Amino acid sequence: NAGVTQTPKFQVLKTGQSMTLQCAQDMNHEYMSWYRQDPGMGLRLIHYSVGAGITDQGEVPNGYNVSRSTTEDFPLRLLSAAPSQTSVYFCASSLYSGAPSYNEQFFGPGTRLTVL
Amino acid sequence: QQPVQSPQAVILREGEDAVINCSSSKALYSVHWYRQKHGEAPVFLMILLKGGEQKGHDKISASFNEKKQQSSLYLTASQLSYSGTYFCGTSKTSYDKVIFGPGTSLSVIP
Repeated sequence: NAGVTQTPKFQVLKTGQSMTLQCAQDMNHEYMSWYRQDPGMGLRLIHYSVGAGITDQGEVPNGYNVSRSTTEDFPLRLLSAAPSQTSVYFCASSLYSGAPSYNEQFFGPGTRLTVL
Repeated sequence: QQPVQSPQAVILREGEDAVINCSSSKALYSVHWYRQKHGEAPVFLMILLKGGEQKGHDKISASFNEKKQQSSLYLTASQLSYSGTYFCGTSKTSYDKVIFGPGTSLSVIP
Protein backbone atom coordinates (compact mmCIF):
# COMPACT_ATOMS: atom_id res chain seq x y z
CA ASN A 1 0.00 0.00 0.00
CA ALA A 2 1.19 3.48 -0.85
CA GLY A 3 -0.78 4.98 2.07
CA VAL A 4 -1.57 8.67 1.63
CA THR A 5 0.08 10.38 -1.34
CA GLN A 6 0.21 14.09 -2.13
CA THR A 7 1.27 15.96 -5.24
CA PRO A 8 3.08 18.17 -5.88
CA LYS A 9 5.74 18.21 -3.14
CA PHE A 10 6.65 21.83 -3.83
CA GLN A 11 4.82 24.61 -5.62
CA VAL A 12 5.38 28.30 -6.19
CA LEU A 13 2.44 30.45 -7.26
CA LYS A 14 1.91 34.09 -8.02
CA THR A 15 -0.82 36.02 -6.24
CA GLY A 16 -4.15 35.43 -7.93
CA GLN A 17 -3.25 32.13 -9.58
CA SER A 18 -5.32 29.04 -8.91
CA MET A 19 -4.21 25.48 -8.38
CA THR A 20 -5.26 22.12 -7.02
CA LEU A 21 -3.35 20.12 -4.44
CA GLN A 22 -3.91 16.42 -4.97
CA CYS A 23 -4.42 13.85 -2.23
CA ALA A 24 -5.10 10.15 -2.63
CA GLN A 25 -5.25 7.15 -0.28
CA ASP A 26 -5.43 3.43 -1.01
CA MET A 27 -6.56 2.23 2.42
CA ASN A 28 -10.31 2.55 1.77
CA HIS A 29 -10.58 5.17 4.49
CA GLU A 30 -13.84 7.08 4.72
CA TYR A 31 -12.50 10.10 6.60
CA MET A 32 -10.11 12.50 4.88
CA SER A 33 -8.94 15.93 5.90
CA TRP A 34 -6.70 18.82 4.91
CA TYR A 35 -4.48 20.75 7.32
CA ARG A 36 -2.17 23.67 6.93
CA GLN A 37 0.89 24.01 9.12
CA ASP A 38 2.44 27.38 9.90
CA PRO A 39 5.21 28.10 12.43
CA GLY A 40 3.81 28.36 15.95
CA MET A 41 0.26 27.60 14.79
CA GLY A 42 0.31 23.83 14.74
CA LEU A 43 -1.94 21.89 12.39
CA ARG A 44 -5.09 23.80 11.49
CA LEU A 45 -7.99 21.97 9.89
CA ILE A 46 -9.12 23.45 6.56
CA HIS A 47 -11.80 21.03 5.31
CA TYR A 48 -12.72 17.45 5.96
CA SER A 49 -14.88 14.71 4.46
CA VAL A 50 -16.61 11.73 6.06
CA GLY A 51 -17.24 9.97 2.77
CA ALA A 52 -17.73 10.41 -0.97
CA GLY A 53 -20.02 13.35 -1.65
CA ILE A 54 -19.82 14.73 1.90
CA THR A 55 -17.54 17.59 2.93
CA ASP A 56 -17.51 20.14 5.72
CA GLN A 57 -15.52 23.14 6.85
CA GLY A 58 -12.81 23.09 9.46
CA GLU A 59 -11.16 25.94 11.38
CA VAL A 60 -9.72 27.91 8.45
CA PRO A 61 -11.77 27.17 5.28
CA ASN A 62 -11.73 30.61 3.62
CA GLY A 63 -9.97 30.67 0.27
CA TYR A 64 -10.13 26.90 -0.18
CA ASN A 65 -12.59 24.56 -1.87
CA VAL A 66 -12.84 20.78 -1.72
CA SER A 67 -14.90 18.03 -3.27
CA ARG A 68 -14.99 14.27 -2.75
CA SER A 69 -16.24 12.35 -5.74
CA THR A 70 -14.50 9.07 -4.84
CA THR A 71 -13.40 7.41 -1.61
CA GLU A 72 -9.76 7.55 -2.72
CA ASP A 73 -9.31 11.20 -3.72
CA PHE A 74 -9.74 14.48 -1.86
CA PRO A 75 -8.32 17.45 -3.83
CA LEU A 76 -7.89 20.91 -2.30
CA ARG A 77 -8.41 23.91 -4.58
CA LEU A 78 -7.03 27.38 -4.12
CA LEU A 79 -9.19 29.64 -6.25
CA SER A 80 -7.10 32.82 -6.08
CA ALA A 81 -3.86 32.35 -4.21
CA ALA A 82 -2.74 34.92 -1.65
CA PRO A 83 0.61 35.29 0.18
CA SER A 84 -1.22 34.39 3.42
CA GLN A 85 -1.73 30.91 1.98
CA THR A 86 1.99 30.24 1.97
CA SER A 87 2.23 27.15 4.16
CA VAL A 88 2.84 23.44 4.30
CA TYR A 89 -0.30 21.48 3.50
CA PHE A 90 -0.96 18.00 4.85
CA CYS A 91 -3.66 15.60 3.81
CA ALA A 92 -4.71 12.85 6.21
CA SER A 93 -7.07 9.90 6.23
CA SER A 94 -8.58 7.54 8.78
CA LEU A 95 -11.22 4.89 9.19
CA TYR A 96 -14.43 6.66 10.05
CA SER A 97 -16.91 4.13 11.33
CA GLY A 98 -19.14 7.02 12.33
CA ALA A 99 -16.64 8.34 14.85
CA PRO A 100 -13.47 10.15 13.74
CA SER A 101 -12.51 10.52 17.39
CA TYR A 102 -11.76 6.81 17.63
CA ASN A 103 -9.28 6.48 14.82
CA GLU A 104 -5.69 7.44 14.16
CA GLN A 105 -5.03 9.64 11.16
CA PHE A 106 -2.44 8.73 8.54
CA PHE A 107 -0.74 11.80 7.11
CA GLY A 108 0.66 12.31 3.64
CA PRO A 109 4.18 13.71 3.12
CA GLY A 110 2.94 17.28 2.62
CA THR A 111 3.03 19.98 -0.05
CA ARG A 112 5.13 23.07 0.53
CA LEU A 113 3.38 26.02 -1.13
CA THR A 114 4.82 29.48 -1.60
CA VAL A 115 2.68 32.33 -2.90
CA LEU A 116 4.59 35.36 -4.15
CA GLN B 1 -11.34 25.74 19.56
CA GLN B 2 -7.65 24.93 19.62
CA PRO B 3 -6.33 23.15 22.74
CA VAL B 4 -3.48 24.72 24.70
CA GLN B 5 -0.14 22.94 25.01
CA SER B 6 2.63 23.51 27.51
CA PRO B 7 5.50 23.96 27.51
CA GLN B 8 6.07 25.47 24.08
CA ALA B 9 9.57 24.01 23.96
CA VAL B 10 11.77 21.84 26.12
CA ILE B 11 15.38 20.67 25.91
CA LEU B 12 16.40 17.44 27.60
CA ARG B 13 19.56 15.42 27.99
CA GLU B 14 19.39 11.76 27.09
CA GLY B 15 17.87 9.75 29.91
CA GLU B 16 15.86 12.60 31.40
CA ASP B 17 12.09 12.61 31.70
CA ALA B 18 9.58 15.09 30.27
CA VAL B 19 5.90 15.87 30.58
CA ILE B 20 3.87 17.65 27.91
CA ASN B 21 0.45 18.99 28.82
CA CYS B 22 -2.64 19.57 26.71
CA SER B 23 -5.72 21.35 28.01
CA SER B 24 -9.03 22.64 26.76
CA SER B 25 -11.70 25.00 28.04
CA LYS B 26 -14.38 22.65 26.68
CA ALA B 27 -15.39 19.19 27.82
CA LEU B 28 -13.41 16.58 25.91
CA TYR B 29 -14.28 13.19 24.53
CA SER B 30 -10.92 12.19 23.13
CA VAL B 31 -7.29 13.28 23.09
CA HIS B 32 -4.91 12.29 20.29
CA TRP B 33 -1.11 12.52 20.44
CA TYR B 34 1.18 12.76 17.40
CA ARG B 35 4.89 13.34 16.93
CA GLN B 36 6.41 15.12 13.95
CA LYS B 37 10.10 15.04 13.13
CA HIS B 38 11.58 17.94 11.22
CA GLY B 39 10.59 17.90 7.56
CA GLU B 40 8.33 14.87 7.96
CA ALA B 41 4.63 14.18 8.40
CA PRO B 42 3.05 13.78 11.83
CA VAL B 43 2.95 10.20 13.10
CA PHE B 44 0.33 8.78 15.46
CA LEU B 45 1.30 7.91 19.03
CA MET B 46 -1.94 7.17 20.87
CA ILE B 47 -5.59 8.04 21.49
CA LEU B 48 -7.20 8.41 24.88
CA LEU B 49 -10.98 8.25 25.14
CA LYS B 50 -13.29 9.53 27.82
CA GLY B 51 -13.68 6.84 30.44
CA GLY B 52 -10.73 4.92 29.08
CA GLU B 53 -7.50 3.80 30.68
CA GLN B 54 -4.11 5.42 30.64
CA LYS B 55 -2.23 4.42 27.51
CA GLY B 56 1.39 3.76 26.84
CA HIS B 57 3.99 1.86 24.91
CA ASP B 58 7.70 1.58 25.53
CA LYS B 59 8.63 4.64 27.56
CA ILE B 60 5.92 6.95 26.28
CA SER B 61 2.60 7.05 28.09
CA ALA B 62 -0.31 9.43 28.52
CA SER B 63 -3.15 10.17 30.88
CA PHE B 64 -6.51 11.88 30.42
CA ASN B 65 -8.22 13.77 33.22
CA GLU B 66 -11.78 14.30 32.00
CA LYS B 67 -12.79 16.52 34.91
CA LYS B 68 -9.94 18.92 34.29
CA GLN B 69 -10.22 18.63 30.49
CA GLN B 70 -6.55 17.92 30.16
CA SER B 71 -4.11 15.26 29.10
CA SER B 72 -0.45 14.72 29.81
CA LEU B 73 2.14 12.90 27.72
CA TYR B 74 4.97 11.32 29.70
CA LEU B 75 8.33 10.55 28.11
CA THR B 76 10.67 8.64 30.40
CA ALA B 77 14.38 8.00 29.96
CA SER B 78 14.35 10.09 26.79
CA GLN B 79 16.29 9.00 23.73
CA LEU B 80 17.67 11.08 20.86
CA SER B 81 14.92 9.64 18.67
CA TYR B 82 12.28 11.35 20.82
CA SER B 83 13.22 14.73 19.39
CA GLY B 84 10.47 16.41 17.41
CA THR B 85 7.29 18.39 17.80
CA TYR B 86 4.46 16.82 19.76
CA PHE B 87 0.89 17.71 18.94
CA CYS B 88 -2.24 16.96 20.88
CA GLY B 89 -5.59 16.89 19.13
CA THR B 90 -8.93 16.98 20.87
CA SER B 91 -12.56 16.32 20.08
CA LYS B 92 -15.69 17.20 22.04
CA THR B 93 -17.78 14.19 21.03
CA SER B 94 -17.26 10.81 19.43
CA TYR B 95 -18.38 12.08 16.01
CA ASP B 96 -16.61 15.45 16.21
CA LYS B 97 -13.58 16.43 14.13
CA VAL B 98 -10.18 16.54 15.80
CA ILE B 99 -8.60 19.95 16.38
CA PHE B 100 -4.87 20.13 17.04
CA GLY B 101 -2.90 22.32 19.41
CA PRO B 102 0.10 24.49 18.45
CA GLY B 103 2.64 21.81 19.37
CA THR B 104 5.51 21.36 21.83
CA SER B 105 9.05 21.24 20.49
CA LEU B 106 11.16 18.61 22.26
CA SER B 107 14.92 18.43 21.75
CA VAL B 108 16.96 15.63 23.26
CA ILE B 109 20.70 16.25 23.37
CA PRO B 110 23.52 13.81 24.19
